[in-house]
Amino acid sequence: SQQGEEDPQALSIQEGENATMNCSYKTSINNLQWYRQNSGRGLVHLILIRSNEREKHSGRLRVTLDTSKKSSSLLITASRAADTASYFCATGLIQGAQKLVFGQGTRLTINP
Amino acid sequence: EPEVTQTPSHQVTQMGQEVILRCVPISNHLYFYWYRQILGQKVEFLVSFYNNEISEKSEIFDDQFSVERPDGSNFTLKIRSTKLEDSAMYFCASRAVIVGELFFGEGSRLTVL
Repeated sequence: SQQGEEDPQALSIQEGENATMNCSYKTSINNLQWYRQNSGRGLVHLILIRSNEREKHSGRLRVTLDTSKKSSSLLITASRAADTASYFCATGLIQGAQKLVFGQGTRLTINP
Repeated sequence: EPEVTQTPSHQVTQMGQEVILRCVPISNHLYFYWYRQILGQKVEFLVSFYNNEISEKSEIFDDQFSVERPDGSNFTLKIRSTKLEDSAMYFCASRAVIVGELFFGEGSRLTVL
C-alpha cells in the first residue's frame, strides 16, 4: 500500500491565485517533505516539516502538518507561471528512517 | 552550489544487457540513494547506502540490481540483465544527515528495447 497520496492529482489555476495541494499518509513519520519536479528533471526540495511541528513557511510556501489526521498541505500563494510543475510529498518514516517514501504527486498548471 | 551529477543522461540498451548508471553525490554527504520513476508515475525507492553498505532496499531491488561506491566519490547502480520493465528514469540522491533534505541528480533515462 502506498504511504503518500496527493490530492488532487492535477490542478489548473490562473496566475495570481493560490494553489493548495494535500497529502495523506498511513504510518507514523518523523518528518514530511515537499519536492517539486519540472517535467523530465530531477526533484528539488522545497520544505521539511518535522512531526512535532504544525506549520512552516518559506517565501510563498506554507506547509501544515496534522499528525492526528496523518495529512499535510502545501499552499503556494500568488502563483506564477513558473510554478507549473509536479509537486510531491515525501515521508520520513520512524521505522526505515533512512529512506523517503514519495506520493503520486500533484501536477500543477498555472495559466498566464 | 554543490550538486549531484549523473551519467549518462540517456542510455538505450537491448534486453538482457548489463547497464551501469553512475552518480557523483555531494562530497560531504553520507547517505546515498537510488530512486526510479517510470514515465508519469510516482518516484519509487530502490536502495539506500550508508557507511559502505546497503542500509535498506525495496522489493524492486532484486538480485539483478547492485550498488557500489568504489572510490569514495562515485556511486553506481548496476542492472545485470535488463528487462523491458526496467525502462525508467533513475535518480541518484544524497544527503548529509539522516533527517534532512535529499539532493537529487537530474536523472538517467534508461530505455530497454
